[in-house]
Amino acid sequence: RKEVEQDPGPFNVPEGATVAFNCTYSNSASQSFFWYRQDCRKEPKLLMSVYSSGNEDGRFTAQLNRASQYISLLIRDSKLSDSATYLCVVRGMDSSYKLIFGSGTRLLVRP
Amino acid sequence: SQTIHQWPATLVQPVGSPLSLECTVEGTSNPNLYWYRQAAGRGLQLLFYSVGIGQISSEVPQNLSASRPQDRQFILSSKKLLLSDSGFYLCAWTANTEAFFGQGTRLTVV
Repeated sequence: RKEVEQDPGPFNVPEGATVAFNCTYSNSASQSFFWYRQDCRKEPKLLMSVYSSGNEDGRFTAQLNRASQYISLLIRDSKLSDSATYLCVVRGMDSSYKLIFGSGTRLLVRP
Repeated sequence: SQTIHQWPATLVQPVGSPLSLECTVEGTSNPNLYWYRQAAGRGLQLLFYSVGIGQISSEVPQNLSASRPQDRQFILSSKKLLLSDSGFYLCAWTANTEAFFGQGTRLTVV
């Protein structure tokens, strides 16, 4: 079983739609969670951290469910510019702080 | 503010040739440093990480090696490239929160 699993998609949605991605992780000791965005042929960039209480940043909402070991990302009012691959990222508590990436979920927002 | 530099941006190398990719971080001390590889259409695979000068941990057996000769310098090397070494190589750093990436090196082994 992969440490971090995501539905690869693609999710093909019209502008203005609401879309949600889920991600599951296998290590119950994982402590930090993030969503990154990666545009084609570019480096990943941090979209948002995911806190235990959930957090919102404009049209983006992230939630964490420790009991079920999954995190989610909700995008409201999708824009064409939201088209990208969204990477779920998990980090444990050892001193390496290494981040484990999911394979990503591809989102295509159409006009 | 912290910045991370990675070069070159693209590289085409013949099979059997050596490789050296360099990454440097500015604006922070004693960062954790990482090398990831991303094959076409795939996720990021952690290759190496370093928590300090001279300290290298390898995540997967492979044809590559890494070194950290200075606190903010991380180098990825190979003595003889294989076709399977082609991919998008990303350097990243973190303190104790999220990671920040360099712009990546797209390596094509021919």
